[in-house]
Amino acid sequence: SQQGEEDPQALSIQEGENATMNCSYKTSINNLQWYRQNSGRGLVHLILIRSNEREKHSGRLRVTLDTSKKSSSLLITASRAADTASYFCATVATQGAQKLVFGQGTRLTINP
Amino acid sequence: KAGVTQTPRYLIKTRGQQVTLSCSPISGHRSVSWYQQTPGQGLQFLFEYFSETQRNKGNFPGRFSGRQFSNSRSEMNVSTLELGDSALYLCASSREGSPANYGYTFGSGTRLTVV
Repeated sequence: SQQGEEDPQALSIQEGENATMNCSYKTSINNLQWYRQNSGRGLVHLILIRSNEREKHSGRLRVTLDTSKKSSSLLITASRAADTASYFCATVATQGAQKLVFGQGTRLTINP
Repeated sequence: KAGVTQTPRYLIKTRGQQVTLSCSPISGHRSVSWYQQTPGQGLQFLFEYFSETQRNKGNFPGRFSGRQFSNSRSEMNVSTLELGDSALYLCASSREGSPANYGYTFGSGTRLTVV
């Protein structure tokens, strides 16, 4: 079953613009992770934010976490054509098996 | 260092057959997890192995099984293949004993097509 729900399902923007993707989840979590997947390939780990953190940066990526709203956002600034990919949030629940539960993903297209 | 290696990259099988997929984790990584990705169901957790023991298991039928060897390499097996088993199978490894807390490194996957 999917814990995370990404919004929007698809996003198309011009190169140089910022892209924001949102993720909502249902249960209490230990951490939330974002992954990127280029078409038909494996996933690449982008960033991990723990439940006691509110914001984290990595290069052009900014992730926020609001545990009261059970939501997270991923911001990619100054987008590039190479950022075209699917982006997934994944959560690790505080209860039960320690495993990643993925959302359905956001398909991001950067137009040159 | 080498990444997570999955073999084969592509596979076509007939309904009713069985298949074995292989995953070699990053050197030093002891945890290996398997995921199934389909357009309809997305990424679904199959199982996780750590030090040759299955530590977690997802909600898949018994036709799906796996194992891990002493060198941390892992295999998953699907018996009596069904059309719905067509998917991208992804393997992920992690260096830590609690991999979910540190992030995974994924392989490129094995694309299985059942005809």
